[in-house]
Parts: sequence; C-alpha cells; structure tokens
Amino acid sequence: AQKVTQAQTEISVVEKEDVTLDCVYETRDTTYYLFWYKQPPSGELVFLIRRNSFDEQNEISGRYSWNFQKSTSSFNFTITASQVVDSAVYFCALSEAARNYGQNFVFGPGTRLSVLP
Amino acid sequence: DTGVSQDPRHKITKRGQNVTFRCDPISEHNRLYWYRQTLGQGPEFLTYFQNEAQLEKSRLLSDRFSAERPKGSFSTLEIQRTEQGDSAMYLCASSESGVEPGTQYFGPGTRLTVL
Repeated sequence: AQKVTQAQTEISVVEKEDVTLDCVYETRDTTYYLFWYKQPPSGELVFLIRRNSFDEQNEISGRYSWNFQKSTSSFNFTITASQVVDSAVYFCALSEAARNYGQNFVFGPGTRLSVLP
Repeated sequence: DTGVSQDPRHKITKRGQNVTFRCDPISEHNRLYWYRQTLGQGPEFLTYFQNEAQLEKSRLLSDRFSAERPKGSFSTLEIQRTEQGDSAMYLCASSESGVEPGTQYFGPGTRLTVL
C-alpha cells in the first residue's frame, strides 16, 4: 500500500528566510502522481503542483520550487523568501495510477509552516 | 465563482441526530470525492463517484454514513445517529475524468461538531 511521510510536523521561520518542506513516499507502482496542497487558516485545500513519476525535472513557480528525486522517493517543496501569507499547513499527496482513484489518493499528515514577521 | 462549493460551512448537532451535507463540484468534473479530516491530520478518503455511480467506499464509511449523487451533479453525504467521534471537517473534491488520476480540487469543507 502507498504511504506518504512528512516528518516535519511544524516549522517556524522568520519572513524572507527560505524553507524546505520534506515529503517521502512509498509505492510499489512504477506509474504514480505526486501533489502538494496548501491549507491556509481558512481551511480550503489549494492545489499547488502535480508531478508524474516519469517527469523528474524540478519545477519552479515564482517563489516556489519542487525537487523530485525518485532515487530517494522524495518530493520536497521549497519556498524562497518566505512571506507571512505562506503560513499554512502543507500536504503532500500520492496517487497511484490504478483504477481505484479514490482509495489510491493518499495524503501525508501535513507540515504546519509559520512565517513570523 | 466556479470552484467546488459546500453547504453548510459549519454544523453543530447533538449526538444521535442526523445531518446532511451538500457538495456542488466544478461543473465539468465527472468525479467527486468525499474526505474526512480531523485536527492535525491529512484528509482521509471516504467515498468516490464517477458521474452518479458510487464506485468506491472506504472502510471508514460505516453503516451510518451514506452518500448520493443522484443526477451526477451535486452530492450529499448523510450521517445518521451522529456520534462525538464524527466531529471533523468533511471535505468534498472534484476532478476531471480520464485515464490518469486527475488533480482534485477541494471545496471549503463542512465542519461538524457533535455535542
């Protein structure tokens, strides 16, 4: 069965610092998809990125970047020059490319990021 | 606003009462999911619809829980004889259909408190 681990329960940084959120996953499938979601205090999960297992290119979107390494089963998320508005809980999720689209979409426990002014 | 919407946003009920939540997915999305999220945890899958067909149900979905999507558009999740352990955020998500697992877009959730 698939599993997602986010070892960092809580992280606090001061505004403008860079911060990396770790995500380690387990799957027996060779085809799978990885996601990051942001959950601000308002509660709504906001989609950030989707990556499939065949695309190991790192991605940058503004202050956000993602480092996907199949060799270590990791999909880490870095926020550069953090801002107070980045304060939220961030979830990493894994979806195996099987027919069961529901049960195969698994979230990690989340990392609570606090960016202090 | 064309995102996923949920109603109500908050529900307080007494133990033993029945509650019903509604989810309206993004209009062109055929797949609809329900999740439960408790404090400090990630969302846990409850059930999944492809159009009006309920294709998957988690072991978390006890006999007291039922979900419907009668016309393949909005969905309802009903909890009968609520228990204090049912207190949680209930999230709905939708995605496009296709061969690959689609990106799920989430609604704001319904926070249930059972007294």
